[in-house]
Amino acid sequence: NAGVTQTPKFQVLKTGQSMTLQCAQDMNHEYMSWYRQDPGMGLRLIHYSVGAGITDQGEVPNGYNVSRSTTEDFPLRLLSAAPSQTSVYFCASSHNTEAFFGQGTRLTVV
Amino acid sequence: TQLLEQSPQFLSIQEGENLTVYCNSSSVFSSLQWYRQEPGEGPVLLVTVVTGGEVKKLKRLTFQFGDARKDSSLHITAAQPGDTGLYLCAGPLLGGAQKLVFGQGTRLTINP
Repeated sequence: NAGVTQTPKFQVLKTGQSMTLQCAQDMNHEYMSWYRQDPGMGLRLIHYSVGAGITDQGEVPNGYNVSRSTTEDFPLRLLSAAPSQTSVYFCASSHNTEAFFGQGTRLTVV
Repeated sequence: TQLLEQSPQFLSIQEGENLTVYCNSSSVFSSLQWYRQEPGEGPVLLVTVVTGGEVKKLKRLTFQFGDARKDSSLHITAAQPGDTGLYLCAGPLLGGAQKLVFGQGTRLTINP
């Protein structure tokens, strides 16, 4: 049972480039979310989804887009990367508020 | 401003010592959770406390939820190097379905 799978694990982007962070879960959870983790700030919610076709903004949504076409997948898109988006990104799926996290994507924007 | 404030942010102690990590808020939470995160990995849920005053034990780890449901603590007895990691408290926002807000974390180092 894989749980939550994120790809890639590491990525370096140039300012202005776009990319998609992939996230897939095999636990049939309706709720999925994306967080970014920066030193001394814990995890901050970027976007979340309560089910296929439904997404909403979290605490720090600017510069990021999401979609949820299936229960399993919840990709995060950076349309025009900025150095301020250098961070570690975590995808999670949840059941009854208990979150299961992927291994993270370490993104560096230069 | 953090909705959940953890203290201390950093803690380095010797193997065998006891320690307590605190998670405080001015808001009431329906439940609070504790996660542990190791380098290069995502957070892993340790426990959820739901009832005010509740105490849960996981081997040498004791978790308590404050009576007013605004705070929680994690106490480790006889710490071991394997306890080293980042400890995060988290709670669901009222009316926020399953949206979690996290504290900034406590980085714990246990020295042999």
